[in-house]
Amino acid sequence: AQTVTQSQPEMSVQEAETVTLSCTYDTSESDYYLFWYKQPPSRQMILVIRQEAYKQQNATENRFSVNFQKAAKSFSLKISDSQLGDAAMYFCAYGNNAGNMLTFGGGTRLMVKP
Amino acid sequence: NAGVMQNPRHLVRRRGQEARLRCSPMKGHSHVYWYRQLPEEGLKFMVYLQKENIIDESGMPKERFSAEFPKEGPSILRIQQVVRGDSAAYFCASSPGGQGRKLFFGSGTQLSVL
Repeated sequence: AQTVTQSQPEMSVQEAETVTLSCTYDTSESDYYLFWYKQPPSRQMILVIRQEAYKQQNATENRFSVNFQKAAKSFSLKISDSQLGDAAMYFCAYGNNAGNMLTFGGGTRLMVKP
Repeated sequence: NAGVMQNPRHLVRRRGQEARLRCSPMKGHSHVYWYRQLPEEGLKFMVYLQKENIIDESGMPKERFSAEFPKEGPSILRIQQVVRGDSAAYFCASSPGGQGRKLFFGSGTQLSVL
């Protein structure tokens, strides 16, 4: 069974600075997908970024980028130029190739200081 | 294009009552997933359905919980004889299918059992 671990329960960043959220996972599969979801206080789960394991190039979406290290089974999220609206819970998730379900990490609460 | 619609947003039940949670997927999506989130935890997979079929229910408790996705109408997650431990946020997600499928989440139903 796959497991996803987020070792940072809470992180804090100054507005306009850069922060990196960590995620590691365990799997025996070679083909899979990784995701970062944002959950603000409204509770809505918002997809931030997605990475296909077969792609070596790291995914980027505006201020959000990932550092995908397949051999190390690591998938960190970097948020550049942090904004107050980035404050939320962030969940890392693993999706197998069949795509039946996502396995989520325990989350990291990100606080942004003005 | 409306997103994934879940209702009710909040549901209060007394112990022993039944809870029915509804989910209408995004237009064109035939795959529905239900997840449960306990406070300060990540989402846990419960069940994956396609129209009229349960594809994977490996995350569903064996008793009191059931799910359906009829040919017409929303998907329903039903919890019979609720207990306090059922109190959680229940999220529905939908996807159009295919590999590496992105899941689009609803805003969840917060179930509180008194």
